[in-house]
Amino acid sequence: QQQVKQSPQSLIVQKGGISIINCAYENTAFDYFPWYQQFPGKGPALLIAIRPDVSEKKEGRFTISFNKSAKQFSLHIMDSQPGDSATYFCAASRGFQKLVFGTGTRLLVSP
Amino acid sequence: DADVTQTPRNRITKTGKRIMLECSQTKGHDRMYWYRQDPGLGLRLIYYSFDVKDINKGEISDGYSVSRQAQAKFSLSLESAIPNQTALYFCATSDYGTGSQETQYFGPGTRLLVL
Repeated sequence: QQQVKQSPQSLIVQKGGISIINCAYENTAFDYFPWYQQFPGKGPALLIAIRPDVSEKKEGRFTISFNKSAKQFSLHIMDSQPGDSATYFCAASRGFQKLVFGTGTRLLVSP
Repeated sequence: DADVTQTPRNRITKTGKRIMLECSQTKGHDRMYWYRQDPGLGLRLIYYSFDVKDINKGEISDGYSVSRQAQAKFSLSLESAIPNQTALYFCATSDYGTGSQETQYFGPGTRLLVL
């Protein structure tokens, strides 16, 4: 049973545009929601994370929006750049338990 | 991330062979994980260990085994490799801290081809 559903599977955005990746979760006990970024040939790395007590977190061009009632959270990449081309994974966890990952979104930012 | 190393980085093997993938970390973390990555399927957890004496199956453990030799070392074995185990394998460690937060640190991956 997949606890975190991620969409779309792939995304093409023009340089300067906004990239949006969405995730939905089922377990209302989740209390930590990170996003990981993976460049080709590399392992994933933590990009940004949010806790459910806030609705939005911004770090530079990257923003997480969180909707607790809808059990959804999304990653927005403003002014997308070719260097942002990567695979992005959402994840969720509860307390001391391990992370549960989404299936990933392959983002391509065209020049 | 040089703090988490995986050997080998690439491996070609034949069906039926037993192989071992090794992971070492210098981060001092108790938790270690093995994932496989396949296109469209994301990261799927094979095994995880919260400390040296703790080993747990993940969602796709069939055909795999693990050994936690020390806090810093976690090895993954394919008992009898089959072609559908061809994938990219990642080791990860985590520093579960106070409160509800786990950050996982991934190694560079091992690309495995089973002929």
